Formats: sequence, C-alpha cells, structure tokens
Amino acid sequence: EVHLVESGGDLVQPGRSLRLSCAASGFSSDDYAIHWVRQAPGKGLEWVAGISWNGGNIGYADSVKGRFTIARDSAKNSLYMQMNSLRAEDTALYYCAKDRGGGYEPAAFDIWGRGTMVTVAS
Amino acid sequence: QPVVTQEPSLTVSPGGTVTLTCASSTGPVSNGHYPSWFQQKPGQAPRTLIYQTGNRHSWTPARFSGSLLGGKAALTLSGAQPEDEADYYCLLSYSHDRPVFGGGTRLTVL
Repeated sequence: EVHLVESGGDLVQPGRSLRLSCAASGFSSDDYAIHWVRQAPGKGLEWVAGISWNGGNIGYADSVKGRFTIARDSAKNSLYMQMNSLRAEDTALYYCAKDRGGGYEPAAFDIWGRGTMVTVAS
Repeated sequence: QPVVTQEPSLTVSPGGTVTLTCASSTGPVSNGHYPSWFQQKPGQAPRTLIYQTGNRHSWTPARFSGSLLGGKAALTLSGAQPEDEADYYCLLSYSHDRPVFGGGTRLTVL
C-alpha cells in the first residue's frame, strides 16, 4: 500500500531553520513528482513546492522562494524540505503529496501524507 | 500570481445534488489548467477526488464528478450523503507559473 509519512515538525523561533522529511513506502519516490502543501491553522491549502521525479525540475511558491529548499534522498526513498529564515507566517501543518506523474507541473495529486506541524514563535 | 475563487459555503439536502465551482482570475478555466478537486474532513488530511478535470481516483465515489461549466471548473455531487459534509478545494495549474489552490468551499449536508 502506498503511504507518505511526514516528520520533523517542531516549535522554532523566528529566523531559525528546520528540516522536514517525507518518507515514502509502497512505491519508489524516484518515479514520481512530489509536492509540499501547507495549511495554516483554520485556513486553506497553499502549494509550497514541487520536485520532479529526477529532481531536474523544482518549483517554489513566491512566499518561500529563496528560503526553502526541496531535495530527494533516493537511498532512503525520502524527500526533504530545508526551511531557513522561518517566519511566524510559516506556521502551518505541512503535507507532502505524491503526483500521478513524473513532473510537478501540471499538478495531478493522488496520495497525501498526514502532515507535520511547524510552529514559528518566540 | 493568479487567484482561484470558490464559493465560501454551500448547503445541500441529503440525497440532493450540488455543484461547486472554481474560477480563475486570469480568465476561463480550461482543460489546460488540469483542474483537481480535494475533500478535507475536520482533523484529516486532504483526499484527492478528481484530477485533470474529470478523472476519478479508484477511491472516489461515483457520485462525485468533475467538469467544466460556464468558464469554471465544477465538482458535482449527485445524491449527497451525510459523510460528504467537508471542505472542498480545487487546484489549477498554470503554464510557466505555480499551481494555485482555491480558498475552499465548506459543504453542509442538511
């Protein structure tokens, strides 16, 4: 069965860094694009970043560009999102989601993880 | 960045039919926007219902269907069930730009 499990969420101070992980099981994450999506408390969904199957095409939302970096670890069948210079507005539940295809554009989500919570506060 | 607009809330009677829509600030929505639809119940992760305008996943109940309607993407629920009460989000993909979610529609079955 296909699963995605996020981890790494925590309470951090503004300006600090955090690395989120997305572990895949039941499929090879190298065969598909993966997206990160976040949801601030009581708010809607926001697309954050996407990476193609081979890492050759990566995109970021303007709100995180230059601060967040997404990467793959094929050996661990996982993906990571390094989050630097965190701000209060980055507080959200972060989900990773598998795409049906190898490119993150156009997006065609299928499986979602359960999310990991990031809280940025002093 | 484009803005994607959905109805904030809708109500449907049990067994009834309701259509949720998804509009783009850039103009009419087309198949080229590859519209997707997601369902989210309280305390749960989103679940993908529809991709590429009208394609259901294997887990998507047949009572949900996706289409284009009047320049918007549309999600129609025919024969609403109490368990369909949830938030629904659409997602549009834009050439040379990033995918954008709509603000969501809270659907009440009452």
